[in-house]
Amino acid sequence: QSVLTQPPSVSGAPGQRVIISCTGGTSNIWAGYDVHWYQQFPGAAPKLLIYGNNKRPSGVPDRFSASKSGTSASLAITGLQADDEADYYCQSYDSTLSGPGWVFGGGTKLTVL
Amino acid sequence: QITLKESGPTLVKPTETLTLTCSFSGFSLSTRGMGVAWIRQPPGKALEWLALIYWDDDKRYSPSLKSRLTITKDTSRNQVVLTMTNMDPMDTATYHCAHTTWELLSNWFDPWGPGMLVTVSS
Repeated sequence: QSVLTQPPSVSGAPGQRVIISCTGGTSNIWAGYDVHWYQQFPGAAPKLLIYGNNKRPSGVPDRFSASKSGTSASLAITGLQADDEADYYCQSYDSTLSGPGWVFGGGTKLTVL
Repeated sequence: QITLKESGPTLVKPTETLTLTCSFSGFSLSTRGMGVAWIRQPPGKALEWLALIYWDDDKRYSPSLKSRLTITKDTSRNQVVLTMTNMDPMDTATYHCAHTTWELLSNWFDPWGPGMLVTVSS
């Protein structure tokens, strides 16, 4: 059970827009810790897609955007392309008294129909 | 350009201790703000943060694994070592190291090493 909750899968047709949600709680996202997003292709290492809630590293297309509000964050992909098909993970910091540390969502598999 | 690469045994027996080395280039762990984290991913499952060490030797561990983990750095050799005791088949995973910087706990991990699959089996 991940501290951050993501839908196991989302899908969309080429050209469409999809949104992946990441739901946390009062000890992580709502507490003000930033949310970051990673893209992972099968057999490869995760790659940073979004950092600091909504910032794109150099080289990441502006088709990828993200936001954070309350206890949740979301990643939006517009103009869906076949090579966007991958797993996507959100990540933040959790300050729970029982054990602080960096946490990931359970991951969302994006299928391009 | 920052690069990292993991090395160590690909197969360990239950109850044994795993020692993994992360060799990196493109930054120094003697530079203020720099850090290296270890993150693992069991086959078909999600990412799990394990440990992190900063330039000033501040060390952080996953609460659920803290008793089994030790992270150290060798600044002169640009290496970070993770040891995990009492390995169990449930610890079978791809282990990644990743670069991070101190960001008031809002750290992100970038880039990542390619990872290495460690299988725990007798």
